[in-house]
Amino acid sequence: ETGVTQSPTHLIKTRGQQVTLRCSSQSGHNTVSWYQQALGQGPQFIFQYYREEENGRGNFPPRFSGLQFPNYSSELNVNALELDDSALYLCASSLLAGVDTQYFGPGTRLTVL
Amino acid sequence: AQSVAQPEDQVNVAEGNPLTVKCTYSVSGNPYLFWYVQYPNRGLQFLLKYITGDNLVKGSYGFEAEFNKSQTSFHLKKPSALVSDSALYFCAVRVPMDSNYQLIWGAGTKLIIKP
Repeated sequence: ETGVTQSPTHLIKTRGQQVTLRCSSQSGHNTVSWYQQALGQGPQFIFQYYREEENGRGNFPPRFSGLQFPNYSSELNVNALELDDSALYLCASSLLAGVDTQYFGPGTRLTVL
Repeated sequence: AQSVAQPEDQVNVAEGNPLTVKCTYSVSGNPYLFWYVQYPNRGLQFLLKYITGDNLVKGSYGFEAEFNKSQTSFHLKKPSALVSDSALYFCAVRVPMDSNYQLIWGAGTKLIIKP
């Protein structure tokens, strides 16, 4: 196991609702990246946080937002949920983004009805 | 455009035989390449990475990968497959993102090892 934890494991929401997903980084890691993995596809990069600042964003709309806290844990917030938001959401922590290896949590399975 | 391709959706191998999972990439500059494995309903587990140096990289669980710059490939290999190797395998490459980097991922290859 990597030491990266995510909660909740599963979540069911309805279209238009808002959701918050949480991630605790591996000890000593200061960078967190969030990914969306739709069924049968590879992960798609949402955004990355380094020392509480967003320092990179993929091709996702502003209704996807995040936070990183002083202990380097992180949240992913999604507003106005759409059916296509149904996916596995993965967070990954690393010591130095881009060079260091990213270690993934088990993911949160979000279903939007 | 920068990209990663895994040309095979599925690879079937008999237990004990060697296995290869293919990955090709298209990036500017020197590539940083990664392989991860995903078991059902689990997150991604790191197997190995290439940054620089020896073209043959050894990783976890007996896996290795060969970097070939001229063919822009980074194929994952194992000399003798185990049934427990059956899983989904992803190749990823680092690309520039603003003042930082991000990983872009292949679509994955399902590896099935038959007893």
